[in-house]
Parts: sequence; structure tokens; C-alpha cells
Amino acid sequence: SQQGEEDPQALSIQEGENATMNCSYKTSINNLQWYRQNSGRGLVHLILIRSNEREKHSGRLRVTLDTSKKSSSLLITASRAADTASYFCATDSNQGGKLIFGQGTELSVKP
Amino acid sequence: GAGVSQTPSNKVTEKGKYVELRCDPISGHTALYWYRQSLGQGPEFLIYFQGTGAADDSGLPNDRFFAVRPEGSVSTLKIQRTERGDSAVYLCASSLAGPYNEQFFGPGTRLTVL
Repeated sequence: SQQGEEDPQALSIQEGENATMNCSYKTSINNLQWYRQNSGRGLVHLILIRSNEREKHSGRLRVTLDTSKKSSSLLITASRAADTASYFCATDSNQGGKLIFGQGTELSVKP
Repeated sequence: GAGVSQTPSNKVTEKGKYVELRCDPISGHTALYWYRQSLGQGPEFLIYFQGTGAADDSGLPNDRFFAVRPEGSVSTLKIQRTERGDSAVYLCASSLAGPYNEQFFGPGTRLTVL
């Protein structure tokens, strides 16, 4: 079963705009991770944020985590057409075991 | 270095048949995971190996599904008496041991049961 929900399910923006995706989860976590997937195949790891961290940056990516609200957001700044993909959040509750994924946000960046 | 590889990339079978899906993890990764992804959904956990043993098999849907990793490297996911509902992309991932290591995913095997 899925851990939580992602919002929005689909997002369409113009190149150069920022894209924000949100993720909510249900149980306590050890860490939360964001993945990207192109064309329904292999996932690529983007960023991991630990439960005791509130914000993390990696290039054009910014992730926040609010454990009191059990939610996280992924911000992609200055989006590019190549950012078009599905984005998933995944939670790890067991310190290195299975990941529980959300249903994903389908991002479309128009040139 | 080489990433996680999965074979075959596509598998079409008939209802009731037996299938095996193979995963070659990244060399040196002691943890190996199997997930299943249906169209429009996020990946769903099936089973997790630490070395040769299954540390968590709580995601296997029923006893038709079984996975092995006899030498702590390559893993095989086995599905008996396949059903149409088994059609999905089966993803394998590997990682180093420990609580904060990212999982590296393979390209997946698309299984279609006719």
C-alpha cells in the first residue's frame, strides 16, 4: 500500500518557471527521498533528507521536510524541458529497509 | 561503473505459466530490493535482501511469488501460475547497507500476462 499522497497529480508549466510538488505521509520516518522517473522505467535518486533536517539543497532542487505535519515539498527552480518526468517521494521508516512511495506528480515543462 | 541490470527487459507470457526475472545489483551492494509498479502508480515494495537472506518479505502479495539471492549478489524473482493482474513493471534496486544510503534502480522488467 502507498504511504501517502502527492499533490498535484499533474503539473504543467513553462520553461523557466519554478515547479513545486508536495508529498504527505502517514507514519513516522527515518528519512524521506525524492526520485525522478522517465517513461515509466528506472528511477533516479534526486535527494535524501533525514528526519532531523528541515531543508536541503542540491543544484536547482530544494527540499523541505515538516515532520510535525508529515509533509515534504520539492521545488525545482528555473525549470527546463528536460525536467519533464514523474517525480516520486519515498519514505524509509526502518533505517535502511524498504521505501514506501507516493503515487507521484507528473511534471510537464513546455519549451 | 555498471549500474543495476535487469533481464529480460520485456517478458510476455500466458496466464498460468511460470516466469523468472533476474537482477544484477551494483558490485559491493549488500542490500537488494524488489518493487512492482503498475501503470500510473508509484513503485510498491515486494521484498528486501540483506546479503543472502530476506530481511523483509512483507510485500510479496501471495505464495505464488518467491525470490532468492543464493550468493548474496544476483537475485531472481519467481512467479508461479501467473495471472493477468501480475502484469506490471518489476523494478530491482540495490544499495550499501546502512540507514541513509540511496537505492539505485535498474531499468525494470515489463511483464505482460495474456
